Amino acid sequence: EAGVAQSPRYKIIEKRQSVAFWCNPISGHATLYWYQQILGQGPKLLIQFQNNGVVDDSQLPKDRFSAERLKGVDSTLKIQPAKLEDSAVYLCASSYPTGGLNTEAFFGQGTRLTVV
Amino acid sequence: QKEVEQDPGPLSVPEGAIVSLNCTYSNSAFQYFMWYRQYSRKGPELLMYTYSSGNKEDGRFTAQVDKSSKYISLFIRDSQPSDSATYLCAMREVGNTGKLIFGQGTTLQVKP
Repeated sequence: EAGVAQSPRYKIIEKRQSVAFWCNPISGHATLYWYQQILGQGPKLLIQFQNNGVVDDSQLPKDRFSAERLKGVDSTLKIQPAKLEDSAVYLCASSYPTGGLNTEAFFGQGTRLTVV
Repeated sequence: QKEVEQDPGPLSVPEGAIVSLNCTYSNSAFQYFMWYRQYSRKGPELLMYTYSSGNKEDGRFTAQVDKSSKYISLFIRDSQPSDSATYLCAMREVGNTGKLIFGQGTTLQVKP
């Protein structure tokens, strides 16, 4: 079974520039998450999708971050304009939505963003 | 107060030692408890998964959940240098829209 795919793996941009990350979840997984992991910290949930609808985006800085999940499969996360404090690893994860025992989230390798 | 608290360490132990990693939480609605292992520059990988209270064993790993104390633990027996990584606890509420909340992660180093 293929895992969660993310691209790019690394990105360096200047502050005030824009950047986009892409995620392809595990086939059949309806729930998709974007997390931000700052060095030395645990992942922080930015946004959670159920199919192509947003379940939770309470911690997404909506003045600069946006995310979409078209057709309930792939997702993109965009930052515009980027700030220095956005330097982090952006992790995408997916899970099956039953609410039962198969609710483990599986993670991609992440995109390491450096804003200079 | 954070919903999930985890001592960041670092924790350094000799090879063969028993390791105990812990998390506390404040949200009594959490029902699913997970432990993830994260190697440097990699995404988190699921180690253990427990529903509600109780123990679960998988090889050298044992996960314990005490909901009355809002406390979860991961024990690693016969620790190996390959266990050196950051260990993240994560929790979620019942239902398919429950947020998955992580602790800060504990960095473990197992010395040969």
